[in-house]
Amino acid sequence: DADVTQTPRNRITKTGKRIMLECSQTKGHDRMYWYRQDPGLGLRLIYYSFDVKDINKGEISDGYSVSRQAQAKFSLSLESAIPNQTALYFCATSDFSPGTSGRAVNEQFFGPGTRLTVL
Amino acid sequence: DQQVKQNSPSLSVQEGRISILNCDYTNSMFDYFLWYKKYPAEGPTFLISISSIKDKNEDGRFTVFLNKSAKHLSLHIVPSQPGDSAVYFCAATQGGSEKLVFGKGTKLTVNP
Repeated sequence: DADVTQTPRNRITKTGKRIMLECSQTKGHDRMYWYRQDPGLGLRLIYYSFDVKDINKGEISDGYSVSRQAQAKFSLSLESAIPNQTALYFCATSDFSPGTSGRAVNEQFFGPGTRLTVL
Repeated sequence: DQQVKQNSPSLSVQEGRISILNCDYTNSMFDYFLWYKKYPAEGPTFLISISSIKDKNEDGRFTVFLNKSAKHLSLHIVPSQPGDSAVYFCAATQGGSEKLVFGKGTKLTVNP
């Protein structure tokens, strides 16, 4: 069973529509993240959350909003989708664990991704 | 301005040989570096990491080397296997920050 799940896996929508992407995790992690991946651009952070009461903007938050409904659920919304939001979206989770140096390691666990196309 | 750079979009090697994937960074405040591997239609998975207090970390066939003075790290895979064919992302963070800064990725193809 997958530890981090995303729904839907694929979505095609039209400009101006409201879209919600959902992420659920069973890892018991407090921290959750949303990234987008564009061809040739790597992964860029949209929003992240330390717990249900803490939401933070990432590198590219404009045009997006999020909701942390519970420790295990973190949703990403596009209020009015536009074509340049066509991308692959990933949810991730993390929890600090000691590294070999004794320092906390921010290893993140990713979901399988949602491919969103905005026409 | 890209803080983590993977200048080779792709790399092709023969099975059994060494694969070397490179990553450069510009932010001298980065103190922890991670490599992720991504297969098509899947999310990235953590592969190996290194703290700035080390210059080498090894895990089986995978070794990461860090040259702080050059702001350069590399991932060595020896011996390379066809199942290693994937996109490899370098990522960096600083001071225990939650934010990972990713490079653009390098697509590795290991030919049988």
